[in-house]
Amino acid sequence: DQQVKQNSPSLSVQEGRISILNCDYTNSMFDYFLWYKKYPAEGPTFLISISSIKDKNEDGRFTVFLNKSAKHLSLHIVPSQPGDSAVYFCAASGGGADGLTFGKGTHLIIQP
Amino acid sequence: DTGVSQNPRHKITKRGQNVTFRCDPISEHNRLYWYRQTLGQGPEFLTYFQNEAQLEKSRLLSDRFSAERPKGSFSTLEIQRTEQGDSAMYLCASSPYRSYNVGEKLFFGSGTQLSVL
Repeated sequence: DQQVKQNSPSLSVQEGRISILNCDYTNSMFDYFLWYKKYPAEGPTFLISISSIKDKNEDGRFTVFLNKSAKHLSLHIVPSQPGDSAVYFCAASGGGADGLTFGKGTHLIIQP
Repeated sequence: DTGVSQNPRHKITKRGQNVTFRCDPISEHNRLYWYRQTLGQGPEFLTYFQNEAQLEKSRLLSDRFSAERPKGSFSTLEIQRTEQGDSAMYLCASSPYRSYNVGEKLFFGSGTQLSVL
């Protein structure tokens, strides 16, 4: 059973517009959430994170929102740039296990 | 370069052969993780070490897989009698784990892409 779900395998956004990537989780014990970005043939690189005691964290063009009651988080990228084209993974820690539990990823494509 | 280093980057082998991968974590990181990723999936946890102790192994890790981290530094992951289903990217990650920190951030290497023919 997948504890972290990214239901959109791909997303296409025009350059300069906002990209919104969504993630849902089922384990209420998760207490820390992260977004990773991955280019082909490379390992995931950390992008931004949020603790469960917060509902928003911002870093430059990237903002993560957490809705604990809905067990939902989202990553907003604004404005979207061509270099943002990559696969984005949502991950969670806590939940009674060490390490991170990942979603299946969303392939973001920024159209010029 | 002080990031996580993995070698080799690519490995092609024939079914039934043994393969070994190496991971050098960020030097001050006490935790080291192995993950596996296949196409269309997120990274899946295999095992991890805190210093030299292997603390957890996933049920995904069959008896053909063994990992070591002697002296709590680099780690090796060996797959014996490889099968075509073992074809995947094997990712290593490290973290500066402290029990008082909120959450754990992992730093990943570039991975080893294994192809079993």
